Amino acid sequence: AQSVTQPDIHITVSEGASLELRCNYSYGATPYLFWYVQSPGQGLQLLLKYFSGDTLVQGIKGFEAEFKRSQSSFNLRKPSVHWSDAAEYFCAVGAVYQGAQKLVFGQGTRLTINP
Amino acid sequence: NAGVTQTPKFQVLKTGQSMTLQCAQDMNHEYMSWYRQDPGMGLRLIHYSVGAGITDQGEVPNGYNVSRSTTEDFPLRLLSAAPSQTSVYFCASTRPSSYNSPLHFGNGTRLTVT
Repeated sequence: AQSVTQPDIHITVSEGASLELRCNYSYGATPYLFWYVQSPGQGLQLLLKYFSGDTLVQGIKGFEAEFKRSQSSFNLRKPSVHWSDAAEYFCAVGAVYQGAQKLVFGQGTRLTINP
Repeated sequence: NAGVTQTPKFQVLKTGQSMTLQCAQDMNHEYMSWYRQDPGMGLRLIHYSVGAGITDQGEVPNGYNVSRSTTEDFPLRLLSAAPSQTSVYFCASTRPSSYNSPLHFGNGTRLTVT
């Protein structure tokens, strides 16, 4: 069965500092991996996704993530955070099963930005 | 572009009451799903549908019913609300059978059961 672990429940960084959010997954086959962001009171928005090919994927808002099969990880990075990046971030692993896309989400990491 | 629309945004129920959470999308997506979000648990799949007339259970289906009579609408019904169903509920949709297509989420319904 698929599972996702985000080890950090809450992270605080200063504005302008670099960011890395961790994600570890468990899945028997080649995973489809996603990062979503949720601003307060909003739904989730896709940041980026990985299916195959280049293991470093670029997303919106200056985010990138690197797939490392040997470590079963898909960590999200940003070189310099902005105050508007404060939100909750969810990693998810997906599969197409019987014609339906099924996502399993991690517990989420809440990001706070210090001015 | 309306995308995925959920109503109501907030709801308070007493234990044992019933209600329906509405979800509508205008993107002609065949796949629709309901998730609940609880602190420290991420999002968990309740029910999903791959097209009109077809529904199936997700990870946490107990206490919830769904139906899919049209492509656009996918209501979630709580027949007898319990405090354990206090949560934020999200509806999401995407194109069918396409892992390349991201889920489009609504803005959620915050439900409190007292």
